[in-house]
Amino acid sequence: EVQLLESGGGLVQPGGSLRLSCAASGFTFSSYAMSWVRQAPGKGLEWVSGVSDYGGRTYYADSVKGRFTISRDNSKNTLYLQMNSLRVEDTAIYYCAKQQGGVIPAAGGVDYWGQGTLVTVSS
Amino acid sequence: SYVLTQPPSVSVAPGKTARITCGGNNIGSKSVHWYQQKPGQAPVLVIYYDADRPSGIPERFSGSNSGNTATLTISRVEAGDEADYYCQVWHSGSDHYYVFGTGTKVTVL
Repeated sequence: EVQLLESGGGLVQPGGSLRLSCAASGFTFSSYAMSWVRQAPGKGLEWVSGVSDYGGRTYYADSVKGRFTISRDNSKNTLYLQMNSLRVEDTAIYYCAKQQGGVIPAAGGVDYWGQGTLVTVSS
Repeated sequence: SYVLTQPPSVSVAPGKTARITCGGNNIGSKSVHWYQQKPGQAPVLVIYYDADRPSGIPERFSGSNSGNTATLTISRVEAGDEADYYCQVWHSGSDHYYVFGTGTKVTVL
């Protein structure tokens, strides 16, 4: 059974940093691209960042480029999102997402999602 | 930036057909994925690569994509289909990123 377990969310002040982690199990982690998707309270889905299977290619939404860094450790089956210079508008539930394939953009859709971790940016 | 536009809401009676559109410039040249999200839950993939269904998704869900519009069709709508639906594509241009549509709330009357 595929499981994606996010951690690291919480309350942080504007300008602060957080590191999200996603522990994956139930599939061959190193064979699939992974993404982070967020959803602000009462709003729609927003793709944040993606990384190909071996971590060689990373992609970012304009809204987080230069502030967030996605990475993965295939030896630990773990996906990360380092978030710096956080803004109030970054407040959202952050979902860890497994893509259907290994190499973005030919990685299809997201076939498994974690339950999300809440990040609140507020003074 | 590439924008995907969906109607905010669609209402449909049980047993009827719901059609949810996703508009984008030349979206027919891209692969479209569709997600269903119920309140308090993570999204679920219901259609990928325009018209393919993941295992476990009922045949009542189908997709099409041509020109500037992609469509998710839900036939014989059931109360359990009431949810938010989002389309998604990968955009390659001067920059590269996934884009989600604005989302459509489907209400079963």
